[in-house]
Amino acid sequence: EDQVTQSPEALRLQEGESSSLNCSYTVSGLRGLFWYRQDPGKGPEFLFTLYSAGEEKEKERLKATLTKKESFLHITAPKPEDSATYLCAVQAAHNQGGKLIFGQGTELSVKP
Amino acid sequence: DTEVTQTPKHLVMGMTNKKSLKCEQHMGHRAMYWYKQKAKKPPELMFVYSYEKLSINESVPSRFSPECPNSSLLNLHLHALQPEDSALYLCASSQGQGAGETQYFGPGTRLLVL
Repeated sequence: EDQVTQSPEALRLQEGESSSLNCSYTVSGLRGLFWYRQDPGKGPEFLFTLYSAGEEKEKERLKATLTKKESFLHITAPKPEDSATYLCAVQAAHNQGGKLIFGQGTELSVKP
Repeated sequence: DTEVTQTPKHLVMGMTNKKSLKCEQHMGHRAMYWYKQKAKKPPELMFVYSYEKLSINESVPSRFSPECPNSSLLNLHLHALQPEDSALYLCASSQGQGAGETQYFGPGTRLLVL
């Protein structure tokens, strides 16, 4: 069964304290791994798409990496405005219609 | 531009009302999606339209009725909803429906059923 697990569930950081969020997945035939940021009451905002092991993508203070079993979202020197829930989702080759399988999310809080 | 718009932003309705949610995108995407999201949970897929045809219905109750009038518009018609249907309803779109296509989400409609 396809599964996505994110850890930790919640993470509290001081401003400037770098850390990583984890997304572990078991899926047969990964076709894409997606990271989204979601602020309370708003829709998920697209961050990155990763397709194959070894791939890395960066955007400002965020860097996403992918292995055959997991993905990391590294946050360097976070600021309070980085506080949000970060969602990881995968698509499997056998999924009908590109269905996304989401993890439960990591709620990040960055204190000044 | 990766913008998906949704109206209204908030909606309150009684269990006997009929209302509609609207979603629009002008990115030339050919796949559009409806999701439901409850508090502290990830989005759950409801429907997928590909080239204006319904391709996936995730066993959603018939009180939710989707419609795709054209390639840029997606509606969700609501009728005789239950209080447990209160949630954030999200629309998304992608270039195509194939695996690996990035889905872009709208801001959502916050629905409260009384």
